[in-house]
Amino acid sequence: AQSVTQLGSHVSVSEGALVLLRCNYSSSVPPYLFWYVQYPNQGLQLLLKYTTGATLVKGINGFEAEFKKSETSFHLTKPSAHMSDAAEYFCAVSGSGANCKLTFGKGITLSVRP
Amino acid sequence: EADIYQTPRYLVIGTGKKITLECSQTMGHDKMYWYQQDPGMELHLIHYSYGVNSTEKGDLSSESTVSRIRTEHFPLTLESARPSHTSQYLCASSAIRGDADTQYFGPGTRLTVL
Repeated sequence: AQSVTQLGSHVSVSEGALVLLRCNYSSSVPPYLFWYVQYPNQGLQLLLKYTTGATLVKGINGFEAEFKKSETSFHLTKPSAHMSDAAEYFCAVSGSGANCKLTFGKGITLSVRP
Repeated sequence: EADIYQTPRYLVIGTGKKITLECSQTMGHDKMYWYQQDPGMELHLIHYSYGVNSTEKGDLSSESTVSRIRTEHFPLTLESARPSHTSQYLCASSAIRGDADTQYFGPGTRLTVL
């Protein structure tokens, strides 16, 4: 069994400020972890993923996330927010098998203030 | 360019109508998925397929049906639409080897049943 918790539904930051979106997971098997972004009226786009190896993963648009097994966390960060980062962000977990399904969190809406 | 397509993007129909939501991909992927997405909620898997003539129900019970006659095509059908079917429907696909852990999403169909 697996689940994802994304606390809070909305985060607001100023342009240029640090972005931190939290994700905690539970999984009975070694997890694969994902962050997806969804812009208005669009589908989900993969930002980054952790499967094995280095626990700090870098993705597109300057985002990165760190897998911390002891904390069962996979928080998403970006040093300096840009107006174009305003979107909804989903964390997801799956197992490592080829037929394992994705389980998503409820998503967090990021707003960026000028 | 390899991509995943969904039509229509928006659909408003009356109760009792039969509808088919189209999903096609040119990614060369064997696995395809349908998710239902409601505001502020997780994406829920309603159907998936591992290849031609393979269809399975997902974690969320749905009155819709799917078919997989061609690798690139995975349509979803509602025989008699009801207001409770109002939602956004997202189609996704993934490979069976290589980048098998990553699902790629289409832009979605927003369905409103009056």
